[in-house]
Parts: sequence; structure tokens; C-alpha cells
Amino acid sequence: KQEVTQIPAALSVPEGENLVLNCSFTDSAIYNLQWFRQDHGKGLTSLLLIQSSQREQTSGRLNASLDKSSGRSTLYIAASQPGDSATYLCAVHAGNMLTFGGGTRLMVKP
Amino acid sequence: DAMVIQNPRYQVTQFGKPVTLSCSQTLNHNVMYWYQQKSSQAPKLLFHYYDKDFNNEADTPDNFQSRRPNTSFCFLDIRSPGLGDTAMYLCATSKRRDSQETQYFGPGTRLLVL
Repeated sequence: KQEVTQIPAALSVPEGENLVLNCSFTDSAIYNLQWFRQDHGKGLTSLLLIQSSQREQTSGRLNASLDKSSGRSTLYIAASQPGDSATYLCAVHAGNMLTFGGGTRLMVKP
Repeated sequence: DAMVIQNPRYQVTQFGKPVTLSCSQTLNHNVMYWYQQKSSQAPKLLFHYYDKDFNNEADTPDNFQSRRPNTSFCFLDIRSPGLGDTAMYLCATSKRRDSQETQYFGPGTRLLVL
């Protein structure tokens, strides 16, 4: 059974800092891995999707990497802004299911 | 423009009183998913429809049912809600089930069972 873990569970940083969110998964037989953003009480917004054959994806200030063999992914956020404050979830796609991690709750202080 | 729409956004129901949540999509996607997300927890897949085929790989109990009358709409029925069913219910769609496709999520319905 696939298990996805995200560390840290919560993170508070001052505006402008670069930061890294971590995601690990137990079964490396995945199709892809996605990073989502969830604002408080809202739905999920897809940020980046990395196919199993890829090593990284970039979108603006976001860069996600994937090391399938070690079961790890990182989400790098450059020059963080208060508007980045949200919960960030990673999810691995295997079979017909997305399995989510518990999320990292990020607060960026002005 | 909203692509995955969920109604209502907030629902309060009494213990044991059936409730129906609605999801509609304008993407013409083949697959529709229902997830349950309890407070501060990860979303958990309840089941999904691939076209008209219902899939309950997550072994979700019978108290939760779903209907998909056409491509655009999918409903989640909770027959006898318990206090433990208080959660955010998220609907998602994807074009296909395979590895290439991202899932698009709706804004969710927050359900409170009293």
C-alpha cells in the first residue's frame, strides 16, 4: 500500500526566503507525481505534474524534482511571498488512484 | 471560468438525514472522482467513475453512494451521515485514467453533520 509523507508539517518563513518542501513515498512504481496548493477551506489547485520519466518541472518561481528510485520529491519555492501562504500537498499517481501526503502548511510573513 | 463546479459549497445536515452533493464539469472529461478530506488530513479517494463505470477500489462503505447520469454531472449521496462524516468533499475530473493526465479539482463542499 502506497504511503506518502510530507515534511515539515508546518513552516513559517519571512518574505523573500527560498524554501524547500519535501515529499516521500514508499512504492516507487508510480506513473507521476503532482504538487497541489490548497488555500484554507478551498479546493486544490494543481501546481506541477512530473511524469515518472522526468526529473523536474518548473513553473515561474516553483521547481519540483522527482527521484523515483529513492521515493522522493521536493518543491522549491524561490523568493517566497505572503501570497504563497497555503497548504502544499503532494500526490502520487499509481493505478487509478492519487494518494496524497498530509501536506505542509506554509506561512510567509511580510 | 469555473471548470469543475460543486454545489452547495456548504451543507449542514442532521445525524442520519440523507444528503446529496453535486458536481458538474465543463471539461467533457471521462473520469470523475470523489474525495473526502477531514480537517488537517490528506484527501482520501472515495470512488470514481470512468464514463458510466463505477469503481470503488478504495473499498468505501455502502453508506456512500454515487450517481453519474451523464458526462457532465456526478452526485455523492450519503445515506445516513454520521458525525464522523463531517469533512470537505472534493470532486475532481480527468480526461483519462492513465498516467499523462492531471486531475482538476472543484472548490469542494464543506459538510457539517450535527
